[in-house]
Amino acid sequence: SAVISQKPSRDICQRGTSLTIQCQVDSQVTMMFWYRQQPGQSLTLIATANQGSEATYESGFVIDKFPISRPNLTFSTLTVSNMSPEDSSIYLCSARSGGAGEQFFGPGTRLTVL
Amino acid sequence: RKEVEQDPGPFNVPEGATVAFNCTYSNSASQSFFWYRQDCRKEPKLLMSVYSSGNEDGRFTAQLNRASQYISLLIRDSKLSDSATYLCVVNRSIGNEKLTFGTGTRLTIIP
Repeated sequence: SAVISQKPSRDICQRGTSLTIQCQVDSQVTMMFWYRQQPGQSLTLIATANQGSEATYESGFVIDKFPISRPNLTFSTLTVSNMSPEDSSIYLCSARSGGAGEQFFGPGTRLTVL
Repeated sequence: RKEVEQDPGPFNVPEGATVAFNCTYSNSASQSFFWYRQDCRKEPKLLMSVYSSGNEDGRFTAQLNRASQYISLLIRDSKLSDSATYLCVVNRSIGNEKLTFGTGTRLTIIP
C-alpha cells in the first residue's frame, strides 16, 4: 500500500492569490493524479501528473490555472492560481502503481477562498 | 447522461439489516469496477474491486452485470461502523487508467 501526505491540510486564502499544495508518497508510484471534490459532490479529475513532463489536463482544467509539477516518482505539487471563491473545494492527491493496482488518496487539502 | 450514476440516498438502515446499492455506468468499454468508501471529511478508500463473476469479502458482496451496465454492492448484517458514503468507480475504457467516480450513496446505520 502507499501512504500519501498532503500539505497544507487546509487554508483560507484571499481572492487573486495562489496556493501550492504538496503531495508526498511514501513509495515510488507509476501514476499520480489531482482531484477536486466540492461539497456534496463526487471527485472530479483535474489532471494526471506526469513525471518529468507536462501534466495531462482534463476538459475544463488548464495549465495556467492549475500548474502541476512532478519532479520524481514520489512527489507532486498542484498550484491553484489567481483564486476566486469558486475554487473553494477539497483538493486530493492520488497515486497508483501500475494499471491494475489499487488507487490511494491523500487526506486532502481543504481550501476556502474569500 | 452521467458516466456513473448512483442513488445519492440517504439510506437510513437499522443495525443488523441488509442493504443494497446499485450503480449504472454509461461507457460499455469500461473494464475495471470498484466500490470505494468515504467517511465524513476523510479521503476515499478502496472497499473492494468488482469482478465479472461477482465477489464476496466478509459481509460485503459485489456484482457486475455487463449487459445492463450496472454494479451492485450488498452489505449484510450491517454495523454502525458501516455508516459512510459509498462511491461507485469505473475506469474509462480499455487501457485507460483514469477512474470516474459516482456521486456516492450515503448510508447511515441506526442503532
